[in-house]
Order: sequence, then structure tokens, then C-alpha cells
Amino acid sequence: EAQVTQNPRYLITVTGKKLTVTCSQNMNHEYMSWYRQDPGLGLRQIYYSMNVEVTDKGDVPEGYKVSRKEKRNFPLILESPSPNQTSLYFCASTRKGGSYEQYFGPGTRLTVT
Amino acid sequence: SQQGEEDPQALSIQEGENATMNCSYKTSINNLQWYRQNSGRGLVHLILIRSNEREKHSGRLRVTLDTSKKSSSLLITASRAADTASYFCAPSGGSNYKLTFGKGTLLTVNP
Repeated sequence: EAQVTQNPRYLITVTGKKLTVTCSQNMNHEYMSWYRQDPGLGLRQIYYSMNVEVTDKGDVPEGYKVSRKEKRNFPLILESPSPNQTSLYFCASTRKGGSYEQYFGPGTRLTVT
Repeated sequence: SQQGEEDPQALSIQEGENATMNCSYKTSINNLQWYRQNSGRGLVHLILIRSNEREKHSGRLRVTLDTSKKSSSLLITASRAADTASYFCAPSGGSNYKLTFGKGTLLTVNP
């Protein structure tokens, strides 16, 4: 089944404790991205990647890092999480040159206390 | 990338009625996509309309695009309780891959 998976789905952590949210897709998509969704603000893009070893900032990259060492994986790293990073996070992927339809993961609900 | 603005912010209808939501954007586009999000879940792609198309259908969905007014509308006919969700538009002008989503329209279909 074609899908984007994220782990963990739920995470409660404390300020400053480094964490990684994993994202993996099995569709051989070149393009992957991370969004955060906050009430009243909609979805905002954090980082995106056009292919392996090619990443770029989205609209709200501060406080986040990403890497793209393999085509299928695009982890989101919070080196020193803060309470304002409490949010619902989504990973998405799409095939380059395709229909531009983005496939979204199920979401990761992060709470930073 | 540019952001679409959905209107209304919330819409409540009875099952069987039609639901119409609108999207406005600011600059020229290559295409515009509509997505649905059930509460707390990932977005699901519904339909894409290209800038040279005026109308497109998919099942109970009808999307129109008016590039002169920089607006699009999504019509859901004969709505069902399962259509209850938030709906987002994503206009794409530069990169077709970097989408920016607005705040969405929350549709509630009452049984």
C-alpha cells in the first residue's frame, strides 16, 4: 500500500530535550516536505527536499533541522525543543514530474512542556 | 509560494444539501489543488485544476477556476455526514511542489 508513515504519532517532551520525528514513504517520491499545523494559522511549511541531499527552508524553519540521506526518509529534528513548537506535524511527499498530488502522513502531535 | 484564502471559515449544512466553498489567491498560477482533512488527520488530495481549465468534475465534486478573478470554488453535491471535514485550497504559481495552505473551510454536514 502506498503510504507515508510518521513516528511517533504522539510525543510529550520537555524543553531542550532533542528529538527526531521520522518520516518514510514507499512510493519512490523525489519531493518531501514537513508542515506544522496550529489552530488559526493553518498549515505552514517548515522544510522541503527536492531529492536526496537537497533540502531547503520553507516558511517557518527556525528551530528545526532536516536531512535527506535516503530517498524514502526525511526526518525532522528538533535540537532544543521549546513550548512554541507544540504543534501537529505532517510529512508529505510527491513524485517529481507527476500530478503534483501530495501524499500526507497521519501526523505527529508534539507537546513540549 | 502563495497562499490561498478559503471562504467561509465554517459552513454547516444538512445531509443531502450542496456545499460550496471558495478560494481566492493573489498572483497567477499554474494549477490549484483542493485537499480534505478529517479532524486531526493528514490531508487527502481531492482534485487539481490547471490554469487553462475552467471546470473539472470528480464524482460529487465540481471545481471551477476563474483566473481573471483569481478565485476557485469547490462544490460538493448531495453532501453526506462523512463529508464533514476541513477543506483547503493550494494555488501553485512558481514551484508546483511547494504548496502553501490557508486556514481552510470547516464543513459540518448534519445527519
